[in-house]
Amino acid sequence: DAKTTQPPSMDCAEGRAANLPCNHSTISGNEYVYWYRQIHSQGPQYIIHGLKNNETNEMASLIITEDRKSSTLILPHATLRDTAVYYCIVRDTGNQFYFGTGTSLTVIP
Amino acid sequence: GAVVSQHPSWVICKSGTSVKIECRSLDFQATTMFWYRQFPKQSLMLMATSNEGSKATYEQGVEKDKFLINHASLTLSTLTVTSAHPEDSSFYICSARQAHQPQHFGDGTRLSIL
Repeated sequence: DAKTTQPPSMDCAEGRAANLPCNHSTISGNEYVYWYRQIHSQGPQYIIHGLKNNETNEMASLIITEDRKSSTLILPHATLRDTAVYYCIVRDTGNQFYFGTGTSLTVIP
Repeated sequence: GAVVSQHPSWVICKSGTSVKIECRSLDFQATTMFWYRQFPKQSLMLMATSNEGSKATYEQGVEKDKFLINHASLTLSTLTVTSAHPEDSSFYICSARQAHQPQHFGDGTRLSIL
């Protein structure tokens, strides 16, 4: 079962930062936080993951709270192509992914 | 890097036939591959996990005789939907990963059973 909760939908103005929250209050010490996104009729695309430190790559930044019970994915300058469903998943290295319902992000021109 | 190819991308077939879907990791060796199913406007549901050279582990409620999974090599897994019926129509997605790496997903196969 999914161990995360996310808002079902969000809007963001094009060019602004999109901040997508995720709660994972039951996360255990060896579980990573992963973010994927799915554009309509495609397979999910890996974005970023982290354990406890904040992470940044060419796509996004991941901010994990100190108690690790929540995290925020930041898309610094949202474009129309960032419109997608964003999934936050917690998992340890040996186990499977269970997808929750995700957040449907709409970037508005 | 980390490209996963899925074939075919869509298939339409008659009720009662069997359909095979291939999943390949193109530029890495996948120790584990996963199969998911997604119905319209719903999230991905994990069907089974397969490790190269061993039998797949199916999630509760997924019929192993209905959905045959073969993972014969480190770069190829196949899902065969046997005696397919209209209720099996769905979007099937595979993923693959190396040890201690994120999963990477194929672009899915849209299956329509008439």
